[in-house]
Amino acid sequence: GAVVSQHPSWVICKSGTSVKIECRSLDFQATTMFWYRQFPKQSLMLMATSNEGSKATYEQGVEKDKFLINHASLTLSTLTVTSAHPEDSSFYICSARRRILAGNNEQFFGPGTRLTVL
Amino acid sequence: AQSVTQPDIHITVSEGASLELRCNYSYGATPYLFWYVQSPGQGLQLLLKYFSGDTLVQGIKGFEAEFKRSQSSFNLRKPSVHWSDAAEYFCAVAPEGAQKLVFGQGTRLTINP
Repeated sequence: GAVVSQHPSWVICKSGTSVKIECRSLDFQATTMFWYRQFPKQSLMLMATSNEGSKATYEQGVEKDKFLINHASLTLSTLTVTSAHPEDSSFYICSARRRILAGNNEQFFGPGTRLTVL
Repeated sequence: AQSVTQPDIHITVSEGASLELRCNYSYGATPYLFWYVQSPGQGLQLLLKYFSGDTLVQGIKGFEAEFKRSQSSFNLRKPSVHWSDAAEYFCAVAPEGAQKLVFGQGTRLTINP
């Protein structure tokens, strides 16, 4: 149990276009989903925290108008990179926190999406 | 400032040798502690976690970790590594009551045959 999927697993797009990445919890309900960005050979950087039915909370320095996050249901969150540029090329990873389970901060991670902007 | 430190960026060990990866954190209270492993181009897989109780935690793939409050450490160990253990290892901390995970810088493990 506790499987998280991401789609697509990789995407190449032209500069100026928008790209949507989906994150789904396949066998559990996730009240909270998280979006991370990882540069090559670096750690994960939290971009935003997404709670179902409410606006995402962005980390300092992350442009909310550029990285649009929608968490419309308990099993789906989407990240849209708007007007993508080469510097947005990165590995994007989502995670989901299982509903309830008080005191349990465990997050389940998706396999990641490799974005390359030409 | 609150932080998670993995002092070793890269470690190389021989197959069959023992392994210890270090992790230190700086938080006021005891946070929740995790170790994740990431293979190239993949997401993260949870190896083990510590919330409370026994300070020696057993995880998957033969890994264990020991929480030492006095040293603010949560080091990962394995008595005998296999070539398939080559990967990036991340220590992560969730301050009590917080939703967010804070990751260390990661330690890349290379296995010599």
